[in-house]
Amino acid sequence: DTEVTQTPKHLVMGMTNKKSLKCEQHMGHRAMYWYKQKAKKPPELMFVYSYEKLSINESVPSRFSPECPNSSLLNLHLHALQPEDSALYLCASSRAGQSNEKLFFGSGTQLSVL
Amino acid sequence: QKEVEQDPGPLSVPEGAIVSLNCTYSNSAFQYFMWYRQYSRKGPELLMYTYSSGNKEDGRFTAQVDKSSKYISLFIRDSQPSDSATYLCAMSLINTDKLIFGTGTRLQVFP
Repeated sequence: DTEVTQTPKHLVMGMTNKKSLKCEQHMGHRAMYWYKQKAKKPPELMFVYSYEKLSINESVPSRFSPECPNSSLLNLHLHALQPEDSALYLCASSRAGQSNEKLFFGSGTQLSVL
Repeated sequence: QKEVEQDPGPLSVPEGAIVSLNCTYSNSAFQYFMWYRQYSRKGPELLMYTYSSGNKEDGRFTAQVDKSSKYISLFIRDSQPSDSATYLCAMSLINTDKLIFGTGTRLQVFP
């Protein structure tokens, strides 16, 4: 199994809603990532978890809250988002979070904030 | 100056053509160089990975890294309509878990 599975595939939410994005991998990878991608732009790193500990937070606003319940799961909790937060949110994983490793990406959650 | 520069395209070529995609970068400390392919509404998929300078070939794909010029290339031979996608270069330093992506080049291969 070389897949990273993200749910939901699409999400529409209002600015007062609370929602969560979920990501799962069963490759035994110990590093997991959240990226944000706007249309026609490259992915931008948001968070990195390495061995279930948050190792990188790229100065992301607190309305985005990551959680890594175990080595296979990664969540992104959303609260009080703004319309400019609408984007494709990508989860990725790698074996141990080293720079020479292959990143496996999920298909993403297309988020629209109204 | 951006750390990684990539022409956004679109690049439109006929089926069977040789395609050349390129990135330049400013940080001479980058050591790992990758090319990702991203289809519309999908996550990026790693195509090629190169450490330091040199060439790497995999089927119809060849990746080249010229560290002296801070320039990397991806060549696609015998291009197919199924190659139509956005191609992102990416690179990283040693001992970091952060990839720096180029803006991506959109490629269209028409029959």
